[in-house]
Amino acid sequence: GQNIDQPTEMTATEGAIVQINCTYQTSGFNGLFWYQQHAGEAPTFLSYNVLDGLEEKGRFSSFLSRSKGYSYLLLKELQMKDSASYLCAVRAAGNKLTFGGGTRVLVKP
Amino acid sequence: EAQVTQNPRYLITVTGKKLTVTCSQNMNHEYMSWYRQDPGLGLRQIYYSMNVEVTDKGDVPEGYKVSRKEKRNFPLILESPSPNQTSLYFCASSLVREAGEQYFGPGTRLTVT
Repeated sequence: GQNIDQPTEMTATEGAIVQINCTYQTSGFNGLFWYQQHAGEAPTFLSYNVLDGLEEKGRFSSFLSRSKGYSYLLLKELQMKDSASYLCAVRAAGNKLTFGGGTRVLVKP
Repeated sequence: EAQVTQNPRYLITVTGKKLTVTCSQNMNHEYMSWYRQDPGLGLRQIYYSMNVEVTDKGDVPEGYKVSRKEKRNFPLILESPSPNQTSLYFCASSLVREAGEQYFGPGTRLTVT
């Protein structure tokens, strides 16, 4: 089976940086995804990692260490619109996708 | 416009009354999937399909059926809904290749009384 853990909630100030950690245990690994979900809306894709290292995409970066079963999503220059839930998801062999419970990020002025 | 559509968006029904939630995508994606989202439990995969006539169980398939007769459609069937299936349901699709990001439909909020 698969187990994915991420913090439930984080608070940060506008303009700051926040790092959301995700740890996972999986039988077979075929990639890790991060999604953003605003309240009442569908998730939207942010990033994908399959190899170790950092992937940067504008203000968002995602890091993966397969040996440690660890990833993080880094949000820089936080804006009010970044207040949302951030979902970590792992794709196992066979393309089954398992999501973590999500981290709700609250950005304060 | 590339999109995933779901119908209905909202549904209130009674225990035992069969229902189908439709899902359609216009992006020629091979991979389609159904999720349910519940407070405190996150998104959980119900069923997924790698291509036409190929479906596999996700983490919570009990009480649900799916079919994939055409590439664009992936309906979710609840033969005998029960109150514990009250949830927010999302359909999603993607390409099968490695970095295939999933596109989600707008969601269907189902209440079973």
